[in-house]
Amino acid sequence: NAGVTQTPKFQVLKTGQSMTLQCAQDMNHNSMYWYRQDPGMGLRLIYYSASEGTTDKGEVPNGYNVSRLNKREFSLRLESAAPSQTSVYFCASRALRDTSTDTQYFGPGTRLTVL
Amino acid sequence: GQQVMQIPQYQHVQEGEDFTTYCNSSTTLSNIQWYKQRPGGHPVFLIQLVKSGEVKKQKRLTFQFGEAKKNSSLHITATQTTDVGTYFCAGRSGGSYIPTFGRGTSLIVHP
Repeated sequence: NAGVTQTPKFQVLKTGQSMTLQCAQDMNHNSMYWYRQDPGMGLRLIYYSASEGTTDKGEVPNGYNVSRLNKREFSLRLESAAPSQTSVYFCASRALRDTSTDTQYFGPGTRLTVL
Repeated sequence: GQQVMQIPQYQHVQEGEDFTTYCNSSTTLSNIQWYKQRPGGHPVFLIQLVKSGEVKKQKRLTFQFGEAKKNSSLHITATQTTDVGTYFCAGRSGGSYIPTFGRGTSLIVHP
């Protein structure tokens, strides 16, 4: 049981390049999330998927797209990377079977630098 | 929209001193969670509070949820170097699907 996995761990891009960040969870969770973390800004939600087949914008969606490929996988795509997208990206999942718990399980993160 | 304010942003303490971080919400919360992120790591769930006035303890950590369910605190007694990291709260109001994270408090413990 690996929990939430993310690839790659590190990535350097040039401005204008595109890439996809991969996320997978093996906990049979319904909901998945993408956050970015910048110094002093905490965790800001980019996109989320409440269940397989649905995606919604979060607080900072501009410049990103997502795909909920199946229940396990949720990918984040940068179509044309910009230096402002330099950040640490975390994927998270949540069971959402029981509304009394909102526990999110985070992946190890992808450290992205855009030059 | 819902806002969760967390203070202080940073806290330096000498090992053995106590530490407290506070979260305040602009709206009444259904619940609040606390997470810890070690330097270079990812957020890890610590605890969830649901009931008004709830207090929970985990060894040297004490978590409180306010009577009005709009604020919460995390108190660490006699800090150790292993407590170093950033502590986040995340709260969800009844009308919101997803929790909102505070910006975190970074704890630095000096030996």
